[in-house]
Amino acid sequence: SQQGEEDPQALSIQEGENATMNCSYKTSINNLQWYRQNSGRGLVHLILIRSNEREKHSGRLRVTLDTSKKSSSLLITASRAADTASYFCATDALSNFNKFYFGSGTKLNVKP
Amino acid sequence: SQTIHQWPATLVQPVGSPLSLECTVEGTSNPNLYWYRQAAGRGLQLLFYSVGIGQISSEVPQNLSASRPQDRQFILSSKKLLLSDSGFYLCAWSLGDNYGYTFGSGTRLTVV
Repeated sequence: SQQGEEDPQALSIQEGENATMNCSYKTSINNLQWYRQNSGRGLVHLILIRSNEREKHSGRLRVTLDTSKKSSSLLITASRAADTASYFCATDALSNFNKFYFGSGTKLNVKP
Repeated sequence: SQTIHQWPATLVQPVGSPLSLECTVEGTSNPNLYWYRQAAGRGLQLLFYSVGIGQISSEVPQNLSASRPQDRQFILSSKKLLLSDSGFYLCAWSLGDNYGYTFGSGTRLTVV
Protein backbone atom coordinates (compact mmCIF):
# COMPACT_ATOMS: atom_id res chain seq x y z
CA SER A 1 0.00 0.00 0.00
CA GLN A 2 1.01 3.64 -0.17
CA GLN A 3 1.19 4.06 3.59
CA GLY A 4 4.15 6.04 4.75
CA GLU A 5 6.32 4.55 7.44
CA GLU A 6 7.87 6.72 10.13
CA ASP A 7 11.19 6.08 11.75
CA PRO A 8 12.00 5.85 14.60
CA GLN A 9 8.87 4.47 16.25
CA ALA A 10 9.78 6.27 19.47
CA LEU A 11 12.18 9.08 20.31
CA SER A 12 13.10 10.48 23.70
CA ILE A 13 15.13 13.69 23.99
CA GLN A 14 15.87 16.48 26.45
CA GLU A 15 14.20 19.85 26.20
CA GLY A 16 16.23 22.15 23.97
CA GLU A 17 17.54 19.38 21.73
CA ASN A 18 16.47 18.90 18.13
CA ALA A 19 14.20 16.04 17.12
CA THR A 20 14.32 14.44 13.69
CA MET A 21 11.70 12.04 12.39
CA ASN A 22 11.76 10.31 9.03
CA CYS A 23 9.08 9.04 6.70
CA SER A 24 9.45 6.67 3.76
CA TYR A 25 6.82 5.82 1.18
CA LYS A 26 6.47 3.46 -1.74
CA THR A 27 4.92 5.11 -4.79
CA SER A 28 5.09 8.54 -6.40
CA ILE A 29 3.12 11.28 -4.71
CA ASN A 30 1.61 14.69 -5.32
CA ASN A 31 1.87 15.88 -1.75
CA LEU A 32 3.11 14.77 1.65
CA GLN A 33 1.84 16.07 4.96
CA TRP A 34 2.94 15.94 8.57
CA TYR A 35 0.52 15.84 11.49
CA ARG A 36 0.78 15.90 15.25
CA GLN A 37 -1.47 14.03 17.69
CA ASN A 38 -1.57 14.59 21.41
CA SER A 39 -2.62 11.51 23.35
CA GLY A 40 -6.27 10.64 22.79
CA ARG A 41 -6.96 13.67 20.61
CA GLY A 42 -7.54 14.43 16.97
CA LEU A 43 -4.69 15.16 14.60
CA VAL A 44 -3.41 18.65 13.90
CA HIS A 45 -2.03 19.56 10.50
CA LEU A 46 1.56 20.85 10.62
CA ILE A 47 2.93 21.17 7.10
CA LEU A 48 2.06 20.14 3.55
CA ILE A 49 4.94 19.83 1.08
CA ARG A 50 4.39 19.37 -2.63
CA SER A 51 6.35 16.93 -4.76
CA ASN A 52 8.12 19.78 -6.54
CA GLU A 53 9.30 21.30 -3.26
CA ARG A 54 12.41 20.19 -1.41
CA GLU A 55 12.13 22.05 1.89
CA LYS A 56 9.55 23.93 3.88
CA HIS A 57 9.64 25.78 7.18
CA SER A 58 7.04 26.72 9.74
CA GLY A 59 8.32 28.24 12.97
CA ARG A 60 10.53 25.63 14.64
CA LEU A 61 9.52 22.98 12.11
CA ARG A 62 11.52 22.10 9.01
CA VAL A 63 10.33 19.50 6.52
CA THR A 64 12.43 18.13 3.69
CA LEU A 65 11.31 15.93 0.82
CA ASP A 66 13.50 13.75 -1.39
CA THR A 67 11.31 12.25 -4.09
CA SER A 68 14.21 10.27 -5.57
CA LYS A 69 14.54 8.41 -2.28
CA LYS A 70 10.82 8.53 -1.54
CA SER A 71 11.47 9.95 1.88
CA SER A 72 10.77 12.98 4.02
CA SER A 73 12.01 14.24 7.34
CA LEU A 74 10.52 16.47 10.02
CA LEU A 75 12.94 18.43 12.18
CA ILE A 76 11.76 20.15 15.35
CA THR A 77 14.39 22.55 16.61
CA ALA A 78 14.87 23.61 20.24
CA SER A 79 12.24 21.13 21.42
CA ARG A 80 9.94 21.87 24.35
CA ALA A 81 8.09 19.57 26.72
CA ALA A 82 4.88 20.69 24.99
CA ASP A 83 6.15 19.08 21.76
CA THR A 84 5.59 15.67 23.35
CA ALA A 85 3.14 13.94 21.00
CA SER A 86 2.94 11.43 18.16
CA TYR A 87 3.89 12.65 14.71
CA PHE A 88 2.53 11.15 11.52
CA CYS A 89 3.34 11.57 7.87
CA ALA A 90 0.61 11.16 5.28
CA THR A 91 1.02 10.61 1.56
CA ASP A 92 -1.38 10.69 -1.35
CA ALA A 93 -0.97 8.82 -4.62
CA LEU A 94 -0.58 10.15 -8.15
CA SER A 95 -3.49 8.01 -9.27
CA ASN A 96 -5.89 9.39 -6.67
CA PHE A 97 -5.00 12.61 -5.00
CA ASN A 98 -8.17 12.99 -2.96
CA LYS A 99 -7.02 10.79 -0.12
CA PHE A 100 -4.03 10.49 2.16
CA TYR A 101 -2.57 7.42 3.80
CA PHE A 102 -0.96 7.64 7.23
CA GLY A 103 1.96 5.80 8.74
CA SER A 104 2.13 4.39 12.26
CA GLY A 105 3.79 7.49 13.65
CA THR A 106 6.76 8.47 15.76
CA LYS A 107 6.11 8.91 19.45
CA LEU A 108 8.20 11.84 20.67
CA ASN A 109 8.86 12.38 24.36
CA VAL A 110 10.58 15.62 25.31
CA LYS A 111 11.85 15.51 28.87
CA PRO A 112 11.93 18.79 30.82
CA SER B 1 -14.01 30.17 10.24
CA GLN B 2 -14.41 26.49 9.56
CA THR B 3 -15.23 24.04 12.32
CA ILE B 4 -15.81 20.32 12.43
CA HIS B 5 -18.02 18.63 14.97
CA GLN B 6 -17.88 14.95 15.78
CA TRP B 7 -19.94 13.13 18.35
CA PRO B 8 -20.19 11.37 20.66
CA ALA B 9 -16.74 11.55 22.23
CA THR B 10 -16.95 8.09 23.76
CA LEU B 11 -19.27 5.19 23.16
CA VAL B 12 -19.58 1.72 24.66
CA GLN B 13 -21.76 -0.61 22.65
CA PRO B 14 -22.56 -4.34 22.93
CA VAL B 15 -21.65 -6.74 20.16
CA GLY B 16 -24.43 -6.96 17.61
CA SER B 17 -25.82 -3.50 18.28
CA PRO B 18 -26.10 -0.81 15.58
CA LEU B 19 -23.81 2.21 15.29
CA SER B 20 -24.24 5.73 14.03
CA LEU B 21 -21.47 8.32 14.29
CA GLU B 22 -22.07 11.77 12.92
CA CYS B 23 -19.70 14.41 11.65
CA THR B 24 -20.65 17.90 10.50
CA VAL B 25 -18.58 20.70 9.04
CA GLU B 26 -19.36 24.41 9.24
CA GLY B 27 -17.99 27.37 7.38
CA THR B 28 -17.11 25.74 4.07
CA SER B 29 -18.85 24.30 1.02
CA ASN B 30 -18.33 21.07 -0.90
CA PRO B 31 -15.54 19.74 1.28
CA ASN B 32 -13.96 16.33 0.84
CA LEU B 33 -14.95 14.27 3.88
CA TYR B 34 -13.14 11.30 5.42
CA TRP B 35 -13.57 8.64 8.07
CA TYR B 36 -10.43 7.12 9.58
CA ARG B 37 -10.01 4.53 12.31
CA GLN B 38 -7.04 4.34 14.66
CA ALA B 39 -6.26 1.23 16.66
CA ALA B 40 -4.54 1.78 20.01
CA GLY B 41 -0.98 3.03 19.50
CA ARG B 42 -1.21 2.70 15.75
CA GLY B 43 -1.57 4.80 12.63
CA LEU B 44 -4.77 5.80 10.88
CA GLN B 45 -6.62 3.52 8.52
CA LEU B 46 -8.72 5.22 5.85
CA LEU B 47 -12.23 3.77 5.91
CA PHE B 48 -14.33 5.99 3.62
CA TYR B 49 -14.06 9.24 1.75
CA SER B 50 -16.53 11.41 -0.11
CA VAL B 51 -16.04 14.17 -2.66
CA GLY B 52 -19.72 15.13 -2.84
CA ILE B 53 -23.26 14.40 -1.68
CA GLY B 54 -24.12 10.74 -2.14
CA GLN B 55 -20.60 9.92 -3.39
CA ILE B 56 -18.89 7.42 -1.09
CA SER B 57 -15.69 5.50 -1.72
CA SER B 58 -14.84 2.58 0.52
CA GLU B 59 -11.24 1.71 1.15
CA VAL B 60 -11.53 -1.66 2.83
CA PRO B 61 -14.30 -4.27 2.97
CA GLN B 62 -15.67 -4.29 6.47
CA ASN B 63 -18.64 -4.20 8.74
CA LEU B 64 -19.17 -0.48 8.33
CA SER B 65 -20.87 1.85 5.86
CA ALA B 66 -20.89 5.59 5.31
CA SER B 67 -23.38 8.08 3.96
CA ARG B 68 -23.34 11.75 3.03
CA PRO B 69 -26.96 12.94 3.06
CA GLN B 70 -25.99 16.63 3.03
CA ASP B 71 -23.01 18.58 1.76
CA ARG B 72 -21.43 19.02 5.18
CA GLN B 73 -22.67 15.89 6.97
CA PHE B 74 -20.91 12.53 6.99
CA ILE B 75 -22.28 9.53 8.87
CA LEU B 76 -20.56 6.27 9.76
CA SER B 77 -22.87 3.34 10.44
CA SER B 78 -23.01 -0.33 11.21
CA LYS B 79 -25.99 -2.65 11.46
CA LYS B 80 -24.25 -5.07 13.84
CA LEU B 81 -21.05 -4.21 15.64
CA LEU B 82 -18.20 -6.67 16.05
CA LEU B 83 -15.54 -6.67 18.76
CA SER B 84 -13.00 -5.79 16.07
CA ASP B 85 -14.85 -2.54 15.37
CA SER B 86 -13.46 -1.06 18.58
CA GLY B 87 -11.14 1.87 18.01
CA PHE B 88 -10.76 5.60 17.75
CA TYR B 89 -12.79 6.99 14.86
CA LEU B 90 -11.79 10.27 13.32
CA CYS B 91 -13.66 12.42 10.84
CA ALA B 92 -11.78 14.93 8.70
CA TRP B 93 -12.45 17.43 5.95
CA SER B 94 -10.33 18.99 3.25
CA LEU B 95 -10.79 21.33 0.31
CA GLY B 96 -8.66 19.09 -1.89
CA ASP B 97 -5.29 17.56 -2.39
CA ASN B 98 -3.31 20.75 -1.97
CA TYR B 99 -4.81 21.40 1.44
CA GLY B 100 -4.29 19.74 4.77
CA TYR B 101 -6.96 17.86 6.60
CA THR B 102 -8.83 19.29 9.56
CA PHE B 103 -9.72 16.53 11.98
CA GLY B 104 -12.54 16.27 14.46
CA SER B 105 -11.82 15.40 18.06
CA GLY B 106 -12.65 11.74 17.52
CA THR B 107 -14.99 9.10 18.95
CA ARG B 108 -13.57 6.33 21.10
CA LEU B 109 -15.72 3.26 20.45
CA THR B 110 -15.50 0.21 22.68
CA VAL B 111 -17.49 -2.82 21.64
CA VAL B 112 -18.10 -5.19 24.54
